[in-house]
Amino acid sequence: GAVVSQHPSWVICKSGTSVKIECRSLDFQATTMFWYRQFPKQSLMLMATSNEGSKATYEQGVEKDKFLINHASLTLSTLTVTSAHPEDSSFYICSASRGGGQDEQYFGPGTRLTVT
Amino acid sequence: SQKIEQNSEALNIQEGKTATLTCNYTNYSPAYLQWYRQDPGRGPVFLLLIRENEKEKRKERLKVTFDTTLKQSLFHITASQPADSATYLCALRGSWGKLQFGAGTQVVVTP
Repeated sequence: GAVVSQHPSWVICKSGTSVKIECRSLDFQATTMFWYRQFPKQSLMLMATSNEGSKATYEQGVEKDKFLINHASLTLSTLTVTSAHPEDSSFYICSASRGGGQDEQYFGPGTRLTVT
Repeated sequence: SQKIEQNSEALNIQEGKTATLTCNYTNYSPAYLQWYRQDPGRGPVFLLLIRENEKEKRKERLKVTFDTTLKQSLFHITASQPADSATYLCALRGSWGKLQFGAGTQVVVTP
């Protein structure tokens, strides 16, 4: 159990367009979902934390108007990169937690975004 | 500031030997520490969690130690196999309860 999927697994888009990435918990209800980005050879950097039905909490330096996060249900969170630029090219990974004091996070397979 | 340090150099090891990875941290008072495995182009996979009151934890061929005095965790892969080749990340819960990751150490196991 505890499987998290992401869609798409990779996407190429043109500068100025918007891209939506979905994160789903397939076999459990995720009270909290997290969005990370990772550059090559670097650690995962937390972008934002979202709780179902609430507004996401963004980390310092992450533009909330650029990275729109929606956690509309206990199994789905979406990250939309608006007006993407080449510097937004990165590996985006979501994770989900059951909450209720259970701290283990289950990670999705990641989405490779390339902005041309 | 809070910092998690893992050896950035890849660890090359022969099949059958024990791989030992180090995770050092500063300015944390963690209740627990986690280890993850990450394969290229994939998300991390949880391996082990060790609590502050546990000195050692084992799972199959994996062993983790946690020394809160030294502020260090060691991660061992015994009887290593080529399939163990991956990047291994340690993670701590930092300020505000956020999980923070080290940059990871790549392990390469050669037959």
